[in-house]
Amino acid sequence: KAGVTQTPRYLIKTRGQQVTLSCSPISGHRSVSWYQQTPGQGLQFLFEYFSETQRNKGNFPGRFSGRQFSNSRSEMNVSTLELGDSALYLCASSPGGDRGYEQYFGPGTRLTVT
Amino acid sequence: AQKITQTQPGMFVQEKEAVTLDCTYDTSDPSYGLFWYKQPSSGEMIFLIYQGSYDQQNATEGRYSLNFQKARKSANLVISASQLGDSAMYFCAMREDLYGNKLVFGAGTILRVKS
Repeated sequence: KAGVTQTPRYLIKTRGQQVTLSCSPISGHRSVSWYQQTPGQGLQFLFEYFSETQRNKGNFPGRFSGRQFSNSRSEMNVSTLELGDSALYLCASSPGGDRGYEQYFGPGTRLTVT
Repeated sequence: AQKITQTQPGMFVQEKEAVTLDCTYDTSDPSYGLFWYKQPSSGEMIFLIYQGSYDQQNATEGRYSLNFQKARKSANLVISASQLGDSAMYFCAMREDLYGNKLVFGAGTILRVKS
């Protein structure tokens, strides 16, 4: 069974630009969650999508948005990039429900904002 | 409020010895799950072990075991027979059923295995 995949793996953007990151969950998993990891703030939850609906949202500004497609693939978008958005962005996939203990992460996308 | 506390920023252990990484949590939800992840320098989060709040026995996965003490709200990870490849950052995380699949992470513990 293929694992969680994230593209691209590395990205360099300029302040003010926008960026879209992609996450493909494990086959059969309906939940995709996104996390931001920085040295200062650690791992912080961004949002979760389940069956194309946002189910949970973390405490991030509206510049951070996401969506999920019918095949469970998810994208997150960050508009008007700031230097502080430089981070490792991780997505996690889960079947959800009673199998919520299954939470598997992708390799991450490392975003650098200059 | 959900909270995970890992009080050990860094740990050293001799190869082949056992090591315990501490984790305490705080939640008002009676139904929750506790996870441990390993993050090598490559950045990928590797799932190690899971303990549900209603599980009667401590979880074990190979060389990893979770010492779950519900009354003390602690979920320590024990790694037996440490190997050089165990050197990494270790995160404790909690999922509350009330919040879907949202995970709250601790600050992490860097483990270094010495030969």
